[in-house]
Amino acid sequence: GNSVTQMEGPVTLSEEAFLTINCTYTATGYPSLFWYVQYPGEGLQLLLKATKADDKGSNKGFEATYRKETTSFHLEKGSVQVSDSAVYFCALTSTQGGSEKLVFGKGTKLTVNP
Amino acid sequence: KAGVTQTPRYLIKTRGQQVTLSCSPISGHRSVSWYQQTPGQGLQFLFEYFSETQRNKGNFPGRFSGRQFSNSRSEMNVSTLELGDSALYLCASSLEQGPQETQYFGPGTRLLVL
Repeated sequence: GNSVTQMEGPVTLSEEAFLTINCTYTATGYPSLFWYVQYPGEGLQLLLKATKADDKGSNKGFEATYRKETTSFHLEKGSVQVSDSAVYFCALTSTQGGSEKLVFGKGTKLTVNP
Repeated sequence: KAGVTQTPRYLIKTRGQQVTLSCSPISGHRSVSWYQQTPGQGLQFLFEYFSETQRNKGNFPGRFSGRQFSNSRSEMNVSTLELGDSALYLCASSLEQGPQETQYFGPGTRLLVL
């Protein structure tokens, strides 16, 4: 089935630093790709998504581009804030045995210091 | 609109017992999915219910079951609990069926099996 590999954390940055969290995938067909974010003590929230190659998802200053040639969907932000501290999950859709589901990466914990 | 609510938030059980977790989706959402989150395995899809029918299923043993009621509320049951079932159980709702749909997650139920 489809799978996702994202960079292991934790990642610690200073405020206003540039952020990249790498995500690569293995998939058959054309999955949709997602970034979800989990703030402390909360459930996951969709951050952005892309449904086809070369699509760019963006939200709250975060961006990710669906790169089919490199099977990647790296998350970037030009200037992080303390409030961006959270765990970030890359995910993709997967169909296996007639069942559809979201497959998540292990998550990358980001801490932004003032 | 109220978000996804899950009850209880915390639960302690002993091996061999069974447990029932509850999820109330966002009003108007017809699909409910369940996920297990552990430090070792990350986020894993359990199952999805739509219109009171299980539509998609992950790779979990039959001890894990669920159901959905006519008001879209869902329950998840785990029988004969094992230590390895200790996890954060997340429920997510979406308007329609399938992983393509934006999932709105609840805060989770943290289950500890002793």
